[in-house]
Order: sequence, then C-alpha cells, then structure tokens
Amino acid sequence: ETGVTQSPTHLIKTRGQQVTLRCSSQSGHNTVSWYQQALGQGPQFIFQYYREEENGRGNFPPRFSGLQFPNYSSELNVNALELDDSALYLCASSLSLGGNEQYFGPGTRLTVT
Amino acid sequence: GIQVEQSPPDLILQEGANSTLRCNFSDSVNNLQWFHQNPWGQLINLFYIPSGTKQNGRLSATTVATERYSLLYISSSQTTDSGVYFCAVVFYGGSRLTFGEGTQLTVNP
Repeated sequence: ETGVTQSPTHLIKTRGQQVTLRCSSQSGHNTVSWYQQALGQGPQFIFQYYREEENGRGNFPPRFSGLQFPNYSSELNVNALELDDSALYLCASSLSLGGNEQYFGPGTRLTVT
Repeated sequence: GIQVEQSPPDLILQEGANSTLRCNFSDSVNNLQWFHQNPWGQLINLFYIPSGTKQNGRLSATTVATERYSLLYISSSQTTDSGVYFCAVVFYGGSRLTFGEGTQLTVNP
C-alpha cells in the first residue's frame, strides 16, 4: 500500500510568481486536505476535496486554489505569491469525509523571496 | 471560539524519564489524532483516539471526550522521541483537522 506522496520536496519562488504543488492520496482514499504550516506554528487548514469537489475552505484568499482528479490525486495552486506564503505545505488523505483518520505526506517546503 | 490548546509548550527531559502531554478542546469531536513531527516536517500518526485509551509500545493515549481533553503519555523517553507533538481534532459535523500549537519535546542523553 502506497502512502501519501507530495512533489516537489522543496521549491524557491519569487514574489508575484505562481506555484503548483502536487499530492497523491493513499490507495483507496477519496478525500484530500491541504494545510499550511508556518514556522513554529501548527498546520492551518486551507481546503479539502472529496470526489473532485471542494468540501470546505479555511481562511485563505482566493489566490489559493485547488483541484482533485478522478484518481483522487490533487493540486494546490497559489497565484501572486507573497513573502508570507513561505511555509511547509502538507497534504493529507482519508477514506472519506467526517472523522476518518487523516494520513499526511512529507510536505513541500516553499520559500518565496 | 473553537480551539485546541496544548500544554506544556516546551518540555525538557532526561533520557529515561516519563512525561504527559495534554490537549484540551473546546467542543465535541469525532476525531482526535496525536502526531509526532519529525525534523524533516513529516507528521507521523501516533494515535487516532476520539475516545478511550490506546497503547503502542512506550506511548499511550487517553481521550475523555465528555470532559474535552486528551493525554499523551511517553514512558522511558529516548533521545529519538525529541520533536514536536501535535494534537489535532475534527469537531463534530466537520471534516477539517484543527491543530494545537504543539509541544516541543527535547530529550537529553
């Protein structure tokens, strides 16, 4: 059974650019959630996808957007990057919605200069 | 507001000591997870424990849902236990994990 994978591992971008992060969910999981973790803080919920539809969004501006594909993998897109977007981006997958256990990928560390 | 609070924020131990980490949450939950974040940032699942008690080796956890708290016990700590421990919950009716601010554990040899 393959766990949650994310790519790339690290990324350096310039303010104003756009970035796409990718996540492959664990086998059999149809729900993917994205979290942003700033240095020294707990992860913050960005949004969640269930069967290709967005199911809930945290307190993030519209320049944070996402997709989920028929194989349940997912993308996180961030437009017009700002310095404060520098963070660890974590993807988690679960069997379904609700209180199911969530399993995290290794994360993508984004640095915006 | 709805929140998750962890204590203590920092904990320094000598190898072999025992410790208890606490997580308080403000409302009913249908998921509570404990994680250990490794130095590379990955969140390692320790326990899925919305209620009751579980044990895994030197680690155990108890959640008292009616009183809205959970405890993570680490016995005979080792230097490899060092890192940040997070408690996260899914409040009843939702699907998103809400994290506490974590406990930074340092185990000295």
